[in-house]
Amino acid sequence: QQQVKQSPQSLIVQKGGISIINCAYENTAFDYFPWYQQFPGKGPALLIAIRPDVSEKKEGRFTISFNKSAKQFSLHIMDSQPGDSATYFCAASSYNQGGKLIFGQGTELSVKP
Amino acid sequence: NAGVTQTPKFRVLKTGQSMTLLCAQDMNHEYMYWYRQDPGMGLRLIHYSVGEGTTAKGEVPDGYNVSRLKKQNFLLGLESAAPSQTSVYFCASILGTVTQETQYFGPGTRLLVL
Repeated sequence: QQQVKQSPQSLIVQKGGISIINCAYENTAFDYFPWYQQFPGKGPALLIAIRPDVSEKKEGRFTISFNKSAKQFSLHIMDSQPGDSATYFCAASSYNQGGKLIFGQGTELSVKP
Repeated sequence: NAGVTQTPKFRVLKTGQSMTLLCAQDMNHEYMYWYRQDPGMGLRLIHYSVGEGTTAKGEVPDGYNVSRLKKQNFLLGLESAAPSQTSVYFCASILGTVTQETQYFGPGTRLLVL
């Protein structure tokens, strides 16, 4: 079963716009929620992560919003740039369950100049 | 510091052949993972290890075996390759403490099974 559901599957945004990707999870034992960025031909790389004791985390143009009661979290990319064009994955894990990541299906983001 | 490396980068196999994928990390990480990535399905965990000499099954373990004889290496084996195992395989590792959960990924191994 898919424990982490991600949407949309693809996203096209104009340069300078806001990109928003959403994820929903089922397992309330998850205690770590990272977002990974992947460029073609490369491995995923951590972009930003949040723990459920905070509702928002911001790093530069990237913000995670977290809603524990709804079991949802989202990634906002402000002032999107063509260099942000990549595939983004949300994920969730539990330290007590071996730290293994459960990934969403991925969102292919294209930022048009 | 090379991080996480994977060998080989690309391989073509015929159905029924066997092969071993090697993952190595030089960060003294305790936990290591093998994922496969398929279009539209994200990354799915195959097997993982929480320390030298230990292994455990992930979401999609069938058709694969693993070994962690040395802390820095994690091997993924395909005993009898099938076309359904055509995929991109990623290895990852983490330090293994409660505050250090960032998984570092290797560059991937592209496998084509004919």
